[in-house]
Amino acid sequence: GAVVSQHPSWVICKSGTSVKIECRSLDFQATTMFWYRQFPKQSLMLMATSNEGSKATYEQGVEKDKFLINHASLTLSTLTVTSAHPEDSSFYICSARRSESVETQYFGPGTRLLVL
Amino acid sequence: DAKTTQPPSMDCAEGRAANLPCNHSTISGNEYVYWYRQIHSQGPQYIIHGLKNNETNEMASLIITEDRKSSTLILPHATLRDTAVYYCIVSAQGGSEKLVFGKGTKLTVNP
Repeated sequence: GAVVSQHPSWVICKSGTSVKIECRSLDFQATTMFWYRQFPKQSLMLMATSNEGSKATYEQGVEKDKFLINHASLTLSTLTVTSAHPEDSSFYICSARRSESVETQYFGPGTRLLVL
Repeated sequence: DAKTTQPPSMDCAEGRAANLPCNHSTISGNEYVYWYRQIHSQGPQYIIHGLKNNETNEMASLIITEDRKSSTLILPHATLRDTAVYYCIVSAQGGSEKLVFGKGTKLTVNP
């Protein structure tokens, strides 16, 4: 199967600090990775599409300067929440698509962020 | 906005088949039907996808109507671990890569 990992699985930080979340495809190469956010009792909302070696594409309403995405290799994408505030507290989930197949996306286990 | 309509919740007895319906009346010719599920506090898990023909894998079967306006996900022998939110999503393969998640169906498998 296709395995995607995220680190950390949960993080608590103070308001104003920055938090970096890693997303790795463990057994396949992923030219494209996606970042989603999920608030309690709501569905997943796509934040941005990350392509290896190029700038990320952000969905409408998502601040690109606040949510920095870097996809430096075919197996790693990072999401940095800069100057986090309590309203950024959420469940952040990444997914990855195999480079040799466009058939589907495989999701990571998610990172729960709590900003105090 | 999601292009699919699903019932908000369903119940199923353990060991019985769970049939989850999905309406996608505006599906385009190049769009696939994908099913994912999300167990509480975890990332979504891919289940199955199809274009026109019915599909089956080790997890489930997908039945797509001839006009492709609706589909049914079948879990043949539901277990307690199948309790989750099930999402039906339509998306073009190779074209638009976005997966737009609706509210899904909360399936509860009862002992």
